Amino acid sequence: GAGVSQSPSNKVTEKGKDVELRCDPISGHTALYWYRQSLGQGLEFLIYFQGNSAPDKSGLPSDRFSAERTGGSVSTLTIQRTQQEDSAVYLCASSFDGESKAFFGQGTRLTVV
Amino acid sequence: SQQGEEDPQALSIQEGENATMNCSYKTSINNLQWYRQNSGRGLVHLILIRSNEREKHSGRLRVTLDTSKKSSSLLITASRAADTASYFCATDAPGNTPLVFGKGTRLSVIA
Repeated sequence: GAGVSQSPSNKVTEKGKDVELRCDPISGHTALYWYRQSLGQGLEFLIYFQGNSAPDKSGLPSDRFSAERTGGSVSTLTIQRTQQEDSAVYLCASSFDGESKAFFGQGTRLTVV
Repeated sequence: SQQGEEDPQALSIQEGENATMNCSYKTSINNLQWYRQNSGRGLVHLILIRSNEREKHSGRLRVTLDTSKKSSSLLITASRAADTASYFCATDAPGNTPLVFGKGTRLSVIA
């Protein structure tokens, strides 16, 4: 596609359930980032994929969070046993080589009730 | 952490005035970028300045970078109501490192 696509746009889930958030980056972009943004706050880095290198998982807040990037393209962020504090907008971005401008998707708004 | 910190946190100006936002960071960088966000969703890239550059212009935007002070400024000239948004700086460090964002400046331009 022409831009970074994220799905779903909105997700409401019950506390304790698992959720999967999807990111489809721009074709040919080797770098892919996941961020989390709570209301009115800055972007909290979660995880970074760059080419064939091991992902930088240093921002994942707990072992309930994991992400994978299959075939160097689509990425899935999984949150297990969701908690209310996981409620936020989850943003995905991609860039050509990790040193260029990043293109963002419109995010997934996750609400845990 | 290399995370940037913008100031002020919030800025309110009249249409036609200039808006200046500042960003400070902690470690060596490859590049510094500025992004804009409307309505809490996707960010849009505004401008990228490399560590060996000191100033860059794009339309009504002017960015400066002072690596000795580890700081950058974004100037928006002749502001418009449509410039109302949150503005974030982001840095990446040498090596295979992620893009890290500051907390942002909320700009309100009053018509």
